[in-house]
Amino acid sequence: DTGVSQDPRHKITKRGQNVTFRCDPISEHNRLYWYRQTLGQGPEFLTYFQNEAQLEKSRLLSDRFSAERPKGSFSTLEIQRTEQGDSAMYLCASSLWGRESSDYGYTFGSGTRLTVV
Amino acid sequence: GNSVTQMEGPVTLSEEAFLTINCTYTATGYPSLFWYVQYPGEGLQLLLKATKADDKGSNKGFEATYRKETTSFHLEKGSVQVSDSAVYFCALSDSNYQLIWGAGTKLIIKP
Repeated sequence: DTGVSQDPRHKITKRGQNVTFRCDPISEHNRLYWYRQTLGQGPEFLTYFQNEAQLEKSRLLSDRFSAERPKGSFSTLEIQRTEQGDSAMYLCASSLWGRESSDYGYTFGSGTRLTVV
Repeated sequence: GNSVTQMEGPVTLSEEAFLTINCTYTATGYPSLFWYVQYPGEGLQLLLKATKADDKGSNKGFEATYRKETTSFHLEKGSVQVSDSAVYFCALSDSNYQLIWGAGTKLIIKP
């Protein structure tokens, strides 16, 4: 297993365009998280899935953002009608959660850096 | 609610100096505590963790001890290297294994 993979690494888009990012978690991990990080700040929680179910979505998340994890494996994050304020690093992480699993923390991908021009 | 407070950066040290980055937390129950590191242009990497009081997490020469009485999890290293320059994040895991993050502390090590 090569860890959490994110694609693309960098994306430059014009304001108003739609973008989609992909995350492939560690295969045995059942939880998948999306975070956004701007320069000099800590990660900001966006949403997370347990298997294919989206269990929580940040109240700060605009309706322009949508995420899916259709088969409980990879996930996509789509941003519609991008704005300059969407420019950030989008991080994906996965973890193994269960009644008897230990809390090993998250494994993060390298992120997708979005620049909206 | 749960929260994490870290010392503000940047922290600038000379190579081989002793490092301490303070982290305190507020939480209900007994959270797990983590330190993550982010090198320039990269994602976050788990540096070390502790899951219960008095546990000591350690990795790559870094250590942190879970102190329930002072609600702290300070990061220490005896002799830093230039390659340790990065941003360090303290975090706690709540009862649902959601991570609550500190704001991060930028560490700059000069040769």
